Amino acid sequence: TQLLEQSPQFLSIQEGENLTVYCNSSSVFSSLQWYRQEPGEGPVLLVTVVTGGEVKKLKRLTFQFGDARKDSSLHITAAQPGDTGLYLCAGDKGGAQKLVFGQGTRLTINP
Amino acid sequence: GAGVSQSPRYKVTKRGQDVALRCDPISGHVSLYWYRQALGQGPEFLTYFNYEAQQDKSGLPNDRFSAERPEGSISTLTIQRTEQRDSAMYRCASSSGQGGVYNEQFFGPGTRLTVL
Repeated sequence: TQLLEQSPQFLSIQEGENLTVYCNSSSVFSSLQWYRQEPGEGPVLLVTVVTGGEVKKLKRLTFQFGDARKDSSLHITAAQPGDTGLYLCAGDKGGAQKLVFGQGTRLTINP
Repeated sequence: GAGVSQSPRYKVTKRGQDVALRCDPISGHVSLYWYRQALGQGPEFLTYFNYEAQQDKSGLPNDRFSAERPEGSISTLTIQRTEQRDSAMYRCASSSGQGGVYNEQFFGPGTRLTVL
């Protein structure tokens, strides 16, 4: 049973389009992180959201943490080929810093 | 400064052999984590340390898997009597904190283990 469900698992769109990736759970997390992973590399942290309802922006990327701290979304505006990669959400249940990862969303942006 | 390093980067072994995977965390980082990642999937937690103390080993699949960090720096993940199902990418991460407020985890490049 996957504690964090990401959708879609695969997404291939054209350059310039917008997209949203979802990360859902029935569990409450004290914080939730989004990572991006390139082939052959380890995941790299993009953002951490902590407060229910929080919205963080990183250039064309907008991250939102659900009010109940059970879900999150990543929205990319005007996607570019450089956005291609595996996007992972990870939840922290507090204290132990033990991260639970979703299965990832493989994003491909076509020129 | 150097990031997290892991060695070897690739390991091919025969079923039944023991393997030892090494992780060098970022200097000064208190916490060290081991994950296993299947191709195209998210990392799966195995175990983590604060300094030399193993805080949580609930993710280790069975007693063939063990980890140590004797001096609070370098860590070794050992798999005894390897099986084909152990084949995966094993990733190490480190962070500067030790609990409470979340601290960013920095991931290493991983060790690709193949058991024949």
